[in-house]
Amino acid sequence: AQSVTQLGSHVSVSEGALVLLRCNYSSSVPPYLFWYVQYPNQGLQLLLKYTTGATLVKGINGFEAEFKKSETSFHLTKPSAHMSDAAEYFCAVSLSGYSTLTFGKGTMLLVSP
Amino acid sequence: DTGVSQDPRHKITKRGQNVTFRCDPISEHNRLYWYRQTLGQGPEFLTYFQNEAQLEKSRLLSDRFSAERPKGSFSTLEIQRTEQGDSAMYLCASSLARTSGDEQYFGPGTRLTVT
Repeated sequence: AQSVTQLGSHVSVSEGALVLLRCNYSSSVPPYLFWYVQYPNQGLQLLLKYTTGATLVKGINGFEAEFKKSETSFHLTKPSAHMSDAAEYFCAVSLSGYSTLTFGKGTMLLVSP
Repeated sequence: DTGVSQDPRHKITKRGQNVTFRCDPISEHNRLYWYRQTLGQGPEFLTYFQNEAQLEKSRLLSDRFSAERPKGSFSTLEIQRTEQGDSAMYLCASSLARTSGDEQYFGPGTRLTVT
């Protein structure tokens, strides 16, 4: 079975600072990895995904993530935070050949002026 | 708007009552998923359909829960004899089946409160 651990339920940054949201996964087979963002009272929006190939994945809104197999990690970064980035972020994993997603508990990103 | 839609957005019901939620996926998507999200947690998988066939159900889906997708288009999720523990956000997602890593598009959710 697969699982996802997101370190830090809340992360606070200043506007313009680096954003780093951590995600570690557990999987017995090569995983597919996703980051989703959820704004208040809205559904989840896909930021980026890793399936195969290049381990550095670029997504929407300036976010990117790097798949590191040796560290079983898929951390999400953005060089410069914007106030509009304040939201909850979820890391998720699925297995090759399967569709269902297993999500982490989420990290709330707070951005201060 | 051609995204995933869910109805109703909010539902308040008394314990013991039955409730039904509807999800309309993106029109060309053949896969449809239901997830449940409680406060402070990530979404948890409940069940999914490919076209009209229900292919997988989570152990979370007790026998009080039933889902249908009769014509391979919209889907309904019914909860019978609701309990306070059923209070949660119910999320629907759809995707177009690919050979790997199909992207799921989520609706806004239905927030259920059982009093």
